[in-house]
Amino acid sequence: GEDVEQSLFLSVREGDSSVINCTYTDSSSTYLYWYKQEPGAGLQLLTYIFSNMDMKQDQRLTVLLNKKDKHLSLRIADTQTGDSAIYFCAETATSGTYKYIFGTGTRLKVLA
Amino acid sequence: DVKVTQSSRYLVKRTGEKVFLECVQDMDHENMFWYRQDPGLGLRLIYFSYDVKMKEKGDIPEGYSVSREKKERFSLILESASTNQTSMYLCASRNPGTGYNEQFFGPGTRLTVL
Repeated sequence: GEDVEQSLFLSVREGDSSVINCTYTDSSSTYLYWYKQEPGAGLQLLTYIFSNMDMKQDQRLTVLLNKKDKHLSLRIADTQTGDSAIYFCAETATSGTYKYIFGTGTRLKVLA
Repeated sequence: DVKVTQSSRYLVKRTGEKVFLECVQDMDHENMFWYRQDPGLGLRLIYFSYDVKMKEKGDIPEGYSVSREKKERFSLILESASTNQTSMYLCASRNPGTGYNEQFFGPGTRLTVL
């Protein structure tokens, strides 16, 4: 069945780059998302990428999509302590479905 | 600003109690969702409502029911709470086929069943 996998933990030093990885199995996915969850809060959309794109950049965030390997990554440049959170990748099709498949979440810890 | 609110941030109930979790969105969205979030398991869909009084089971509906009498409100009901329903519950909404199909999430309700 459909599955989205992420590593559970990542620790980086303040100012370094963070790279959070995600692999997915559903080749019909059309939108792929990165959500951020801060402690005690709900999920907030950080960025998304459409499946016909390879890369998307938004300020400190870079999303890379490798459709052949079904691999999605989120790079955060100049990581700050405020970036400490859980990051979820998710996928869905454009229409005709309510199904979103979420990854297990990666807990990013930024060390000062 | 888009807003999804949930009735409680923290809730403690006893085994066997009937529990109501309420979710309200102010964006006139058609679709609403209830997920539970457990460490290492990500988000799992409990129920989905595609319109008023319309619902579909998600991946883990057992032990839960839902109610959507008005477009803005989606309630999750635990008929007889059990300890394995201790979890974080997240509500979300969206308008299907708009933009990039984004879901908007509430802040979550952390439910503990003793």
